[in-house]
Amino acid sequence: AQSVSQHNHHVILSEAASLELGCNYSYGGTVNLFWYVQYPGQHLQLLLKYFSGDPLVKGIKGFEAEFIKSKFSFNLRKPSVQWSDTAEYFCAVKGNTDKLIFGTGTRLQVFP
Amino acid sequence: GAVVSQHPSWVICKSGTSVKIECRSLDFQATTMFWYRQFPKQSLMLMATSNEGSKATYEQGVEKDKFLINHASLTLSTLTVTSAHPEDSSFYICSASYRNTDTQYFGPGTRLTVL
Repeated sequence: AQSVSQHNHHVILSEAASLELGCNYSYGGTVNLFWYVQYPGQHLQLLLKYFSGDPLVKGIKGFEAEFIKSKFSFNLRKPSVQWSDTAEYFCAVKGNTDKLIFGTGTRLQVFP
Repeated sequence: GAVVSQHPSWVICKSGTSVKIECRSLDFQATTMFWYRQFPKQSLMLMATSNEGSKATYEQGVEKDKFLINHASLTLSTLTVTSAHPEDSSFYICSASYRNTDTQYFGPGTRLTVL
């Protein structure tokens, strides 16, 4: 069965610090990978996605993620966070069905 | 583009009553819609997948007679929580995707509180 692990449950950073959120999945076949963000009081929004090709994916708002197939990982990065990045971040995996399997989420708090 | 709406955004009901939640794709035809449940400080758990004109496929452990899903058109799916109980209180989120794409677009969610 597919599963997604996000090891960082709660991350606290100061503005301008660099960010890396871990995401590991378990699935033996071809996967599509996603990062979603949920700002306080808002709905889930797609940050970026990987289907194929260049394993380094650029998303919105300066985020990027790197797919490392050998490590079954899809970590999210941002070189310099802002207070407005405070949100919940979810990694998700889609295998050979329509289903998206979500990780448990990482709560990011950025202080000015 | 790819906007999904939900109505109502929040609802409070008495135990034993039924509640209907609507999910609409506003600017695209959603061939597939998904219903999730999100508990406080937890991830989204898929409840069911529905394709337009077909019966919904429920995930293991989700009671199909309790959570009735209808996807009658390419822009509307409804979730009816029948005979609601306090343990059904949760945040229900729908998402939609269109043919041959792997991206789901999420609605803003509906907060259900059963007294």
